[in-house]
Amino acid sequence: QSVLTQPPSVSAAPGQAVTISCSGSSSNIGNNYVSWYQQLPGTAPKLLMYENYKRPSGIPDRFSGSKSGASATLGITGLQTGDEADYYCGTWDSSLSVWVFGGGTKLTVL
Amino acid sequence: EVQLVESGGGLVQPGGSLRLSCAASGFTFSNYAVTWVRQAPGKGLEWVSAIKGSDDSTYYAESVKGRFSISRGNSENTLYLQMNSLRAEDTAVYYCARAVVATAIYLDCWGQGTLVTVSS
Repeated sequence: QSVLTQPPSVSAAPGQAVTISCSGSSSNIGNNYVSWYQQLPGTAPKLLMYENYKRPSGIPDRFSGSKSGASATLGITGLQTGDEADYYCGTWDSSLSVWVFGGGTKLTVL
Repeated sequence: EVQLVESGGGLVQPGGSLRLSCAASGFTFSNYAVTWVRQAPGKGLEWVSAIKGSDDSTYYAESVKGRFSISRGNSENTLYLQMNSLRAEDTAVYYCARAVVATAIYLDCWGQGTLVTVSS
């Protein structure tokens, strides 16, 4: 059971948009920045978003992030088949002094 | 170019030990915290351990505390994970990742992973 809660899966058609939620508590998301990671099939995870909404160099602006209270959201617009991957949220838990991940969300582009 | 390359994985019997290494290049290793993250077959990411760059403070997930030990060799630009008393549930791909620790904490660069299989 992960400390951060994500939906196991989401799906949408090419060109459409999806959002992936990540729910935590005051000890993690509520008081720390959230980052998101994309893991394409058979590859290592890659940083997708940091400090809630900032994109590393090379990440297209089709990807967006937000945070409100103890929840965060990853948004993807203009879906492409190449976006099919597992997406994980992560943050530091100040009470436990550990890093925590969400359980991951599998995105299917139908 | 920032690179992290893990090594040392393999097949080990339950109760056995293994030492993983992560060779870093392309950045000033001693300035960064580094972490280990694992992924069991078909499962999600699980954070394992971290060590700070500033003072070598260490942090562990409850699932490995007392069995695993993280360390770093700044002169060799290498991160280590000593794993003792291994269990079947430790079977996973182990990734090392560089951690940015500033206003926020995030894992900005990842290695390709090394597979650890605990089985008799």
